[in-house]
Amino acid sequence: DTEVTQTPKHLVMGMTNKKSLKCEQHMGHRAMYWYKQKAKKPPELMFVYSYEKLSINESVPSRFSPECPNSSLLNLHLHALQPEDSALYLCASSQVPSLTSSEQFFGPGTRLTVL
Amino acid sequence: KNEVEQSPQNLTAQEGEFITINCSYSVGISALHWLQQHPGGGIVSLFMLSSGKKKHGRLIATINIQEKHSSLHITASHPRDSAVYICAVAYNTDKLIFGTGTRLQVFP
Repeated sequence: DTEVTQTPKHLVMGMTNKKSLKCEQHMGHRAMYWYKQKAKKPPELMFVYSYEKLSINESVPSRFSPECPNSSLLNLHLHALQPEDSALYLCASSQVPSLTSSEQFFGPGTRLTVL
Repeated sequence: KNEVEQSPQNLTAQEGEFITINCSYSVGISALHWLQQHPGGGIVSLFMLSSGKKKHGRLIATINIQEKHSSLHITASHPRDSAVYICAVAYNTDKLIFGTGTRLQVFP
């Protein structure tokens, strides 16, 4: 199994809703990443988990809350989002938390719309 | 100013043409990644390289560390190659710095 899966594919939520994005990989990768991508822009790193511990938080607002329950799963909990948070949310993984020696495998993304 | 510059920003080609996309970066790096993103979102890693040249099918990636420059070549281009190609560099281990992407359209 060489893929990263993400659910749901699409999500529409109101500003008062609480929802979660899910990401899964079964490649034994020990680093997992959340990115946010706006239209026609490159991905922006949000969080990095290294060996199931949060190693990077790129000053992301607290309305985004990541969670790594085990080495295969990565969640992104969403609460009280703003319309400007509408974007494509991409999950990625790499064999080791070193992008100088390891490629990233990306999921298909969740397209989020906040009304 | 983006630390990773790509050119051209947009590229159109006829099927069969040889295509080159360029990437320049400002300081020494440990590795450079070439990524492909089709409309609809998913990103695929094409190459990771820190020196020399790599080839996979019709795709070739080269890097010149001294000149801080990398190129992605596509031989015998095909409409299915239409996508955004993104160069990303790793200065340290944890994260990538992305270029702004090159939007390629190949017409039959």
